[in-house]
Amino acid sequence: DTAVSQTPKYLVTQMGNDKSIKCEQNLGHDTMYWYKQDSKKFLKIMFSYNNKELIINETVPNRFSPKSPDKAHLNLHINSLELGDSAVYFCASSQEPTSYEQYFGPGTRLTVT
Amino acid sequence: GQSLEQPSEVTAVEGAIVQINCTYQTSGFYGLSWYQQHDGGAPTFLSYNALDGLEETGRFSSFLSRSDSYGYLLLQELQMKDSASYFCAVNTGFQKLVFGTGTRLLVSP
Repeated sequence: DTAVSQTPKYLVTQMGNDKSIKCEQNLGHDTMYWYKQDSKKFLKIMFSYNNKELIINETVPNRFSPKSPDKAHLNLHINSLELGDSAVYFCASSQEPTSYEQYFGPGTRLTVT
Repeated sequence: GQSLEQPSEVTAVEGAIVQINCTYQTSGFYGLSWYQQHDGGAPTFLSYNALDGLEETGRFSSFLSRSDSYGYLLLQELQMKDSASYFCAVNTGFQKLVFGTGTRLLVSP
């Protein structure tokens, strides 16, 4: 009965590699998000999609490319990984883009060595 | 710029009451949410205030004063399982939430 799921849960990779994180929600929500949580636990939005359309791109380097094949899925591809990309990435969803209540996935801990 | 300030850490004992404050300065404001995050876990929604006043949900209550750009989360009858990080988040009206710096709550026996 998982509401928002992400894979993988852990990702360890070397600098310069390309990796993807997948996210799926079964809540029937229209809006999905990617957040980055750094080592100080600061949670910052990266992207949001509403009905497969990009509505927020928060000055994220273009090495990060989200893709939403349908409104239940939002994937994140990262090219040329850097040490500073190490963080926990959370996917989330909500019924509307203006919703104050968001449902978060379990997170993907990315470690770049 | 946008900022939401919270104390970095709060400690309390089981059974006590604790208040976690949040002061905000944002370009838009529609309401204040609170989220709980256990170590290694995902943020989970606790409460929301769009209007001034107190909202109660079981042992947790949340308060908002829009004129003071201030809110707080009140946790009563603290339990060990309440040890977690707590984040306030502003609904800016620009189709996103802006999260605060987070407060780590440590509950001791």
